[in-house]
Amino acid sequence: DGGITQSPKYLFRKEGQNVTLSCEQNLNHDAMYWYRQDPGQGLRLIYYSQIVNDFQKGDIAEGYSVSREKKESFPLTVTSAQKNPTAFYLCASSRGKGWDANQPQHFGDGTRLSIL
Amino acid sequence: AQSVTQLGSHVSVSEGALVLLRCNYSSSVPPYLFWYVQYPNQGLQLLLKYTSAATLVKGINGFEAEFKKSETSFHLTKPSAHMSDAAEYFCAVSRAGGSYIPTFGRGTSLIVHP
Repeated sequence: DGGITQSPKYLFRKEGQNVTLSCEQNLNHDAMYWYRQDPGQGLRLIYYSQIVNDFQKGDIAEGYSVSREKKESFPLTVTSAQKNPTAFYLCASSRGKGWDANQPQHFGDGTRLSIL
Repeated sequence: AQSVTQLGSHVSVSEGALVLLRCNYSSSVPPYLFWYVQYPNQGLQLLLKYTSAATLVKGINGFEAEFKKSETSFHLTKPSAHMSDAAEYFCAVSRAGGSYIPTFGRGTSLIVHP
């Protein structure tokens, strides 16, 4: 079955450490996204990518970085500059590009990041 | 610009009762509207979507939503709640001809009592 795989499910970060969250999709989708979810705040967009080797900042990109070297993969790095990284992180993908606003997003099962 | 307001961060119903989750949107052009459901420690799953065809949209698990342009609303309903419906529900809007990045509401937690 096609879908989105996020790993690990739980991740712990030490002070001053960078950590990378993995996101892989086999849906052949062009667009991929990273969201941060905090209780009562809904989903906030961190980064998104429409094509390989291109990505744009979302609403809360500070302290995060991404890469899109392959269509299937969109890893997110939470850097030490992100002072409050404890949250639930969701990766999503969707078909098409800017003219496909009617296409729904498909989500992974998330990674829960905590500070040690 | 586009925005979504979900009225009520928590909605509590008894099993078998009507479920009504409210969503109002703001969009300068005809919108596309989505409802997603999230179970604990999982990602979001699409319940249904409105893309300018029929105004009454039927989704999975017995849910439906009606697009009302005059009220800028897209409320989610289910005639009879089941215990398994307890989850977080998100409304989202994107714009035809504009940014395809959807804007999400803050979510409504549905609590179902036996």
